[in-house]
Amino acid sequence: DGGITQSPKYLFRKEGQNVTLSCEQNLNHDAMYWYRQDPGQGLRLIYYSQIVNDFQKGDIAEGYSVSREKKESFPLTVTSAQKNPTAFYLCASSIGTSYEQFFGPGTRLTVL
Amino acid sequence: SQELEQSPQSLIVQEGKNLTINCTSSKTLYGLYWYKQKYGEGLIFLMMLQKGGEEKSHEKITAKLDEKKQQSSLHITASQPSHAGIYLCGAGGGSQGNLIFGKGTKLSVKP
Repeated sequence: DGGITQSPKYLFRKEGQNVTLSCEQNLNHDAMYWYRQDPGQGLRLIYYSQIVNDFQKGDIAEGYSVSREKKESFPLTVTSAQKNPTAFYLCASSIGTSYEQFFGPGTRLTVL
Repeated sequence: SQELEQSPQSLIVQEGKNLTINCTSSKTLYGLYWYKQKYGEGLIFLMMLQKGGEEKSHEKITAKLDEKKQQSSLHITASQPSHAGIYLCGAGGGSQGNLIFGKGTKLSVKP
């Protein structure tokens, strides 16, 4: 089955630690995205990538980093510089920007 | 940049009742997407509208895009507990050409 997966589903982090969230898709999509979702705030774009080895900052990129070494994979690292990382993180992919986006099941990150 | 405003923010209805959720854009919409999200899960694509006056239906859910392409409505007929969740509208218009989303409408259906 084609789809987009995220792991882990739940992640706990101590303050000062970096953590990496995984996102994999087998839909052969060029574009991939990372969003952060907070209660009452909707989805906010962190980073996006239109093609392998290229990515762009979204609206709230500070404290986050990404890589796009393979078409299928777009991992997100939440660094210690992110002051309020506790949130629900969603990864998505699409054929291209401004097209229908397919979403993964999300990762809930909690900072202890 | 474009903004999408959804109303109401939350809605509680009795099972069997009809309901409408609205999505209003600050600019002309070129592609309007409706998604549904269950708490703690990813978004499920429902429908996409592109043309002014367009209407699409899937099971008991109907979405419309007005002629001016600045407002969309999502109508659920004879609501069921399975319709409960957060409904989000999305549209092209982000500063990098990406989709932007409304803040969502939380729907609860009382059995």
